[in-house]
Amino acid sequence: QVQLQESGPGLVKPSQTLSLTCTVSGGSISSGDYYWTWIRQPPGKGLEWIGYIYYSASTYYNPSLKSRVIISVDTSKIQFSLKLSSVTAADTAVYYCARGYYESSGYYAKYYFDSWGQGTLVTVSS
Amino acid sequence: QSVLTQPPSVSAAPGQKVTISCSGSSSNIGNNYVSWYQQLPGTAPKLLIYDNNKRPSGIPDRFSGSKSGTSATLGITGLQTGDEADYYCGTWDSSLSAGAVFGGGTKLTVL
Repeated sequence: QVQLQESGPGLVKPSQTLSLTCTVSGGSISSGDYYWTWIRQPPGKGLEWIGYIYYSASTYYNPSLKSRVIISVDTSKIQFSLKLSSVTAADTAVYYCARGYYESSGYYAKYYFDSWGQGTLVTVSS
Repeated sequence: QSVLTQPPSVSAAPGQKVTISCSGSSSNIGNNYVSWYQQLPGTAPKLLIYDNNKRPSGIPDRFSGSKSGTSATLGITGLQTGDEADYYCGTWDSSLSAGAVFGGGTKLTVL
């Protein structure tokens, strides 16, 4: 049973960089079957997909956040990380890491999240 | 404004059935698979349905999913008070701004 756990500062100042790490246990990031994903949820609002990384370090980001996001992976440490630069109050949210299953062909795509971390609240404030 | 449209809230009595709709377009639901998530208060979302209508191990068959055209539906039968939660649909959007997208969420109240 894979488990994911987010960690990082709960308070970030405006214009600085938000940095979070997700530690994976009970499974291998290097298995190649999954896409390791970040999702966030502003207080009282819905879910927003941030992006994913594959074990080979290939990434894909939400176009609306792409200019500010970097997701990296450290397979030896069974961790993957999120960096979001130039944050504002609008980036205040609970940030979740999740294991994603992704498959696509020329005709369809499927992408769902079968395991989630408990989430960590990051507040952007001076 | 979410790419996928869900009703903000639904309600029903214990033991009854409820359906939650999720409306999209040809670039998302119309050509891709839909998943559904349950978020109990103060917890992380949990996968309920994937590939439009498949249930992960451990999810009771009271929960079902279907898709028709550019819309999807989550059905819950035999409602229990423990089903009170927010429910989200999700899929991949294959438009120029491709990526994973979610509905705005539906709050289920079991009266």
